[in-house]
Amino acid sequence: QVQLQESGPGLVKPSETLSLTCTVSGGSISSYFWSWIRQPPGKGLEWIGYIYNSGSPNYNPSLKSRVTISVDTSRNQFSLKMNSMTAADTAVYYCARDVDRKRFDPWGQGTLVTVSS
Amino acid sequence: QSALTQPASVSGSPGQSITISCTGTSSDVGNYNLVSWYQQHPGKAPKLIIYEVGKWPSGLSNRFSGSKSGNTASLTISGLQAEDEADYYCCSYGRYSTWVFGGGTKLTVL
Repeated sequence: QVQLQESGPGLVKPSETLSLTCTVSGGSISSYFWSWIRQPPGKGLEWIGYIYNSGSPNYNPSLKSRVTISVDTSRNQFSLKMNSMTAADTAVYYCARDVDRKRFDPWGQGTLVTVSS
Repeated sequence: QSALTQPASVSGSPGQSITISCTGTSSDVGNYNLVSWYQQHPGKAPKLIIYEVGKWPSGLSNRFSGSKSGNTASLTISGLQAEDEADYYCCSYGRYSTWVFGGGTKLTVL
């Protein structure tokens, strides 16, 4: 059974770059698409972007200029980098498997990232 | 790319049925049969309950059902139970191979 676990700093300063990693266990990262999704406190979900194996990632147009998603197949991990962080980027960040480009399943437990000085 | 439109809240009594709507555009919901629904309990990660408009993940209760007409998808929960109280999000494949979520609906079981 595939499981995902996010890791990274819980606090980021304004204007700095967020770096998060999602570790995939129980299956290979090579055969699926993988996405990052975030949820500001008390608000809805927002898709950030996806990557497949070592192919070209695809991003939410509203975040595209600030986001980079990459994959490390040797470690069974994929990562998110988001620059120029502001308070509006405070959210729980989830990683999820994008199954056949049809659904997100499963999800990681999420990690809260707070942007504050 | 605008969020899909869902009602902010719905409610129902145990045993009843409720329906949550999810309205998009001809660029997302109306153009693809790739609408999925997620249930989220407080403090927990979202959980897939319906995919490709009306398919169930294996092992999931068939009290949840999905449908679509034009640019609007719907989730119906029959035989409401207390444990169904949660937030529900729709999601659709959209233009340029992107995904768009709905704003979420809070279900209260009275």
